[in-house]
Amino acid sequence: AQSVTQLDSQVPVFEEAPVELRCNYSSSVSVYLFWYVQYPNQGLQLLLKYLSGSTLVESINGFEAEFNKSQTSFHLRKPSVHISDTAEYFCAVLRMDSNYQLIWGAGTKLIIKP
Amino acid sequence: DAGVTQSPTHLIKTRGQHVTLRCSPISGHKSVSWYQQVLGQGPQFIFQYYEKEERGRGNFPDRFSARQFPNYSSELNVNALLLGDSALYLCASSTGTGVMNTEAFFGQGTRLTVV
Repeated sequence: AQSVTQLDSQVPVFEEAPVELRCNYSSSVSVYLFWYVQYPNQGLQLLLKYLSGSTLVESINGFEAEFNKSQTSFHLRKPSVHISDTAEYFCAVLRMDSNYQLIWGAGTKLIIKP
Repeated sequence: DAGVTQSPTHLIKTRGQHVTLRCSPISGHKSVSWYQQVLGQGPQFIFQYYEKEERGRGNFPDRFSARQFPNYSSELNVNALLLGDSALYLCASSTGTGVMNTEAFFGQGTRLTVV
């Protein structure tokens, strides 16, 4: 069985401070990894993804995530957060075999304090 | 270009009733997936359809069914509604399945409340 664990349900952080949102997964097969973001009253949007190649992937708005196979982690980081980053962030995995379903973490609410 | 559209946006039903939720994918996308998101949890996979065929099914009872039409739009049907079916139902479209399904575009969801 596979699972995705986001240990923190909420992460409060001051504006312009760095942040890390943690994601760990377990899977018996290789996986693709994703971070999705859900802004208030909006649908889920893809933030970044790891398919292959460089283990460090970046988004256009300054977030980055690093795939660590030995620790089965895909933590999301940003060096300096902005009030507009307030949202819920979901980590998800997709199995590389014929199973097509995304498996999701429970989400982490990023709360930016002014 | 329109994104993924879902209807209705909100719905209130009584226990035991039936409900149909609708989804129109992005133009050119042939795959539609359905997810259930209970408050405080991540989405749970229900179904995936590609080219009108079921390609994946999550751990949901037979009360849940879906279909995809020739224009790639999709319906999710839930029979004999239970209070526990109250959730946000999300539809996602993508160009394909499996390794091609690496970016799913989500609608804003249908908020179903069962009373």
